[in-house]
Amino acid sequence: EAGVVQSPRYKIIEKKQPVAFWCNPISGHNTLYWYRQNLGQGPELLIRYENEEAVDDSQLPKDRFSAERLKGVDSTLKIQPAELGDSAVYLCASSPRTGENTEAFFGQGTRLTVV
Amino acid sequence: GQNIDQPTEMTATEGAIVQINCTYQTSGFNGLFWYQQHAGEAPTFLSYNVLDGLEEKGRFSSFLSRSKGYSYLLLKELQMKDSASYLCAVTNDYKLSFGAGTTVTVRA
Repeated sequence: EAGVVQSPRYKIIEKKQPVAFWCNPISGHNTLYWYRQNLGQGPELLIRYENEEAVDDSQLPKDRFSAERLKGVDSTLKIQPAELGDSAVYLCASSPRTGENTEAFFGQGTRLTVV
Repeated sequence: GQNIDQPTEMTATEGAIVQINCTYQTSGFNGLFWYQQHAGEAPTFLSYNVLDGLEEKGRFSSFLSRSKGYSYLLLKELQMKDSASYLCAVTNDYKLSFGAGTTVTVRA
């Protein structure tokens, strides 16, 4: 079974440019997460989806970040415009059901470098 | 707020045992996860504790004391492939809050 697939793996952009990341969760997983991981830190939640609904976007910087999961499967995360401080690894994760004890399966992430 | 603390680095010898401690002070608690993350790779699930006590799974064990806000991950019979970052994470209201991770280096 394929895991969580993210693309691209690496992205280098100049500040003020837009960038988008794509995530394909594990088939059948209704819950999808986007996390940001800075170097030497643990992942921080940006947004959580249940199917196509964003049920927790409280930590998403909405002035420049947006996300969508139109059909409740794939998801995209966009930054416009990017700032130097956005350099990080953006991780997508999915889980098969909503539950506090449900493990999340992570993708390998997209490493963003803003120059 | 969420405050999750773990040591930054630990070094141990192949075949030895290492214990990674995690202390937490969080606004709510519905369980604690441990994840392993190799450099440049995705975090992978190791364990979940919600009740006090020890959960054993092969070479890895995880302990939880809710009253003390404390957990540890025990790695036995260390192998070179265990060199990785180990992330402690507390779940509350379906939100995972991670610690900064402990980098474990296994030496021959």
